[in-house]
Amino acid sequence: KAGVTQTPRYLIKTRGQQVTLSCSPISGHRSVSWYQQTPGQGLQFLFEYFSETQRNKGNFPGRFSGRQFSNSRSEMNVSTLELGDSALYLCASSSGDGNTEAFFGQGTRLTVV
Amino acid sequence: DQQVKQNSPSLSVQEGRISILNCDYTNSMFDYFLWYKKYPAEGPTFLISISSIKDKNEDGRFTVFLNKSAKHLSLHIVPSQPGDSAVYFCAASAFWSGANNLFFGTGTRLTVIP
Repeated sequence: KAGVTQTPRYLIKTRGQQVTLSCSPISGHRSVSWYQQTPGQGLQFLFEYFSETQRNKGNFPGRFSGRQFSNSRSEMNVSTLELGDSALYLCASSSGDGNTEAFFGQGTRLTVV
Repeated sequence: DQQVKQNSPSLSVQEGRISILNCDYTNSMFDYFLWYKKYPAEGPTFLISISSIKDKNEDGRFTVFLNKSAKHLSLHIVPSQPGDSAVYFCAASAFWSGANNLFFGTGTRLTVIP
């Protein structure tokens, strides 16, 4: 059974640009959540998608958005990049049906210069 | 507002001894707790979880204890092995409230000394 796949693994962008990150969850999982990890802040929840609908959202500005497709794959978009957006972005896959563990991908390391 | 706290940023333990990692939470609505292990440049790996209806869950060398009245949980690793050296995150969720997101602590770096 394949794990959670995130692409790309590494990305360098310039301030003001926009970026799209991709996540393919474990087969059969309908929930995809996105997290941002920065030094000192730990993992911060961005949003969760379940069956193509955003079900929950964290405290991030509107520049951060996402979507989920019918095959449960999800994309996260960040517009007008700022230096502070440099982080490891992690995607987590779960069944979404209750208290079950979430499985993480390896993450996308975004560097904004 | 950090709802899940890991107050020890680092811990060093001799190989073969017990490692105890602690975690405190403030939100009484949390009903599911998890521990993850993370290596640099990789995503967190799920270790063990516990529901709020239990006070202990065991899986091999890993045991998680939950004290709801104190809003405290701990992860015990016995015996500790050098391969256990990593950053450990505790996480909590309140799925019953309709949210499926995890609230993470800031992590504890465990070093197991051979």
